[in-house]
Amino acid sequence: AQSVTQLGSHVSVSEGALVLLRCNYSSSVPPYLFWYVQYPNQGLQLLLKYTSAATLVKGINGFEAEFKKSETSFHLTKPSAHMSDAAEYFCAVSGGPSGGYQKVTFGTGTKLQVIP
Amino acid sequence: DTGVSQNPRHKITKRGQNVTFRCDPISEHNRLYWYRQTLGQGPEFLTYFQNEAQLEKSRLLSDRFSAERPKGSFSTLEIQRTEQGDSAMYLCASSPGQKLNEKLFFGSGTQLSVL
Repeated sequence: AQSVTQLGSHVSVSEGALVLLRCNYSSSVPPYLFWYVQYPNQGLQLLLKYTSAATLVKGINGFEAEFKKSETSFHLTKPSAHMSDAAEYFCAVSGGPSGGYQKVTFGTGTKLQVIP
Repeated sequence: DTGVSQNPRHKITKRGQNVTFRCDPISEHNRLYWYRQTLGQGPEFLTYFQNEAQLEKSRLLSDRFSAERPKGSFSTLEIQRTEQGDSAMYLCASSPGQKLNEKLFFGSGTQLSVL
């Protein structure tokens, strides 16, 4: 079954610093990949998704992610962190060698702390 | 678009009792998903429906759990003989059901506490 691994359950950055949240997927066939964000006391919402049209995907709030097949990675970045970016971020995957493109599997999440 | 609605928001029950949660997806969304989330973990897939058909159910899911989606509209998730380990946030999500890589729209969840 397809899965994703998120390195680092907690990441702290200073306001204005680069944000890098790591995600690696396990599939020999490029799956569909997603990043979701969960702000405190709010439901999960989509940040961006990879659809194979372009390896660099731009999302909301200045976030972007790059699909690297050679590294089986889909890391999330933002050039300059803002206090409002403090949230929990989840990488997710669907599809793979056995199909199952309707089932979306989530990683364990990375909680981002932004220090003023 | 009124969003995905889940009821109740919170449920406290005693061990051994049955509980039922309801999810109303966005109107005309054909796919409906149930996930479970515990503190510090990502959403864990439980099951999903395409219209009224339940197409996949997690193998990790005990037979105490059952979900229905009659008429392909709202869905219910029932847990029988609840255990303390069932305490979690139960999330519902829906999507249009037209493509393979669709955005999931999540509800706010039902927080279950089993005493």
